[in-house]
Parts: sequence; C-alpha cells; structure tokens
Amino acid sequence: DTEVTQTPKHLVMGMTNKKSLKCEQHMGHRAMYWYKQKAKKPPELMFVYSYEKLSINESVPSRFSPECPNSSLLNLHLHALQPEDSALYLCASSQGLERNTEAFFGQGTRLTVV
Amino acid sequence: KNQVEQSPQSLIILEGKNCTLQCNYTVSPFSNLRWYKQDTGRGPVSLTIMTFSENTKSNGRYTATLDADTKQSSLHITASQLSDSASYICVVSPTGGSYIPTFGRGTSLIVHP
Repeated sequence: DTEVTQTPKHLVMGMTNKKSLKCEQHMGHRAMYWYKQKAKKPPELMFVYSYEKLSINESVPSRFSPECPNSSLLNLHLHALQPEDSALYLCASSQGLERNTEAFFGQGTRLTVV
Repeated sequence: KNQVEQSPQSLIILEGKNCTLQCNYTVSPFSNLRWYKQDTGRGPVSLTIMTFSENTKSNGRYTATLDADTKQSSLHITASQLSDSASYICVVSPTGGSYIPTFGRGTSLIVHP
C-alpha cells in the first residue's frame, strides 16, 4: 500500500464554520506534512510532523490547527477561515525527515471558503 | 537562500515527440532531488528521486539526470503521450537542519495529438 488517503476530496465552508481535513497512510512513515497549493503555484509547506510531534510550523495562522493522533493519521482543523484560504490542501508522508526517500502525496482536498 | 528554477515555464509538443525539462538549484547542502508529475487539481506523483552520487535514473519513459557539480537536473520524456500533459515539479531537499524541501514552480507540459 503506497497510498496517502485524504478526505474529503472537496469541501465548501463558510467563514464561521469549523471543519477538519483528514489524512491517513499505512506505509509506516514517521514524517507527515500539510501543504497548501494555490492555482498554478507550487505547494507551500504548512506543517511537518515527525514521530507524531510537530516539527515545523511555517508561520501558519492559528485558524489552521494541525493534529497527529497517531503515526498513521494527520488532521488539519479549520476555523474562521477567509476566502483567500481557498486552495488545494495536500498531505504527504515520507519515511522520515532525514531519509533520502520519496514523499508520497495524497490527492488533496479542494477547499472553498465562501 | 535556497532556490529551484525550472525551465521552460510551459511547453507544447506533439504526441510521440521527445522533450527535456530543466531544473537548476542553489539548495545547499544537497540531500536529494525529486521530480514529480502533477495533474491539475490532483496531488503530485513521484517520478524519480536522486541523491548526490546518482547521475541518471529512469522510470519508464522518464529519465532524470543530475549534475551535482553544476547543480542542474533534467527530466527527459520519450515518445510523449497525451496523458503526459501535466505540471512537472522539481523538488530539492537539503541535508541537516530542518530538511525542508524547496519546490520549483513547475513546467506545464501540453501534449497535442
């Protein structure tokens, strides 16, 4: 199994809503990532978890709150988002931060904030 | 500052033709370089990963080269197919420190019948 599964595939939410994005992998990877990608731009790193601990937070606003309940799951909790937060949110995983191994991406969640 | 520059920005070719995409980087110290294919609205899919000691790596019709001295990489696509139409992203990771990879802006490839 070399899949990273993201749910939901599409999400439309209002600026006062609270929602969560979910990511799951069963490859035994110990590093998991959240990226944000706007149209025609490369993915931008948001958060990195290594061994279930938050390792990197790229100065992401507090309306985005990551959570790593266990080594297979990564959530991104959303609250009070702005329309400019609309984007494709990608989850990725790799064996570890320091390894020269591939990072596998999920198919993304297309988020629209109205 | 770590940077990854890709060229061309976009490319249009006829089905069956070959093409080569370029990636220049300033990431240091270097750990690995990856090429990804990303279809519109989908997650990136890994094509190759290369470390310092590797010069060439193939994956089907995709062949990546790496010159760690000049900090250049290329991705050669042979006998292009309509399904090759996508964005091709070069990603370079450093060693030590935070290991945060740097993404290129991608080359948008369109294959016409």
